[in-house]
Amino acid sequence: DGGITQSPKYLFRKEGQNVTLSCEQNLNHDAMYWYRQDPGQGLRLIYYSQIVNDFQKGDIAEGYSVSREKKESFPLTVTSAQKNPTAFYLCASRTGTGLYEQYFGPGTRLTVT
Amino acid sequence: ELKVEQNPLFLSMQEGKNYTIYCNYSTTSDRLYWYRQDPGKSLESLFVLLSNGAVKQEGRLMASLDTKARLSTLHITAAVHDLSATYFCAVEAGANSKLTFGKGITLSVRP
Repeated sequence: DGGITQSPKYLFRKEGQNVTLSCEQNLNHDAMYWYRQDPGQGLRLIYYSQIVNDFQKGDIAEGYSVSREKKESFPLTVTSAQKNPTAFYLCASRTGTGLYEQYFGPGTRLTVT
Repeated sequence: ELKVEQNPLFLSMQEGKNYTIYCNYSTTSDRLYWYRQDPGKSLESLFVLLSNGAVKQEGRLMASLDTKARLSTLHITAAVHDLSATYFCAVEAGANSKLTFGKGITLSVRP
């Protein structure tokens, strides 16, 4: 059963702590993405990776870090430098052929107090 | 910088009536996508529009693309409650496959 998994679904942290969000896909997609969604807003791109061991900053990368050591995995770390980390985080991956659609995981809702 | 605008941002629809929502974008694009999001959920892909004049239909929804006007429309035929959700368009431009999203249009269908 192919798809994208994100864990955990809900995450609560205290201010000043780093936290890592997991994203795994078994779709054999090369490209993976991290987005942030705030209430009433569209999605904003944090980081993306088109191949293993390579990634680029998106529009709002400050306070975040990523790694891409395996094709299947693209974890996102929200650091204490991110000023407003409370948001809904969505991971996506994309096929390199055909319609080039991005497929989204179920998301992680992060609350920092 | 690519900008994507959707309007209206909220639309209250009456069951059984037809409606159209719009997505404008500011620069030449390779592809345009429509997604649906239910409250608290992730995004579900609806349509991928690849070229000028492209039209795709699925059930009561029909999407079209006019690349010269930089405009996509999503037409809803005979609205039903199940269509209540937020609809996002996203535009891809350039070789790096980045998507730029609009803010979304929330549709609410009332009896």
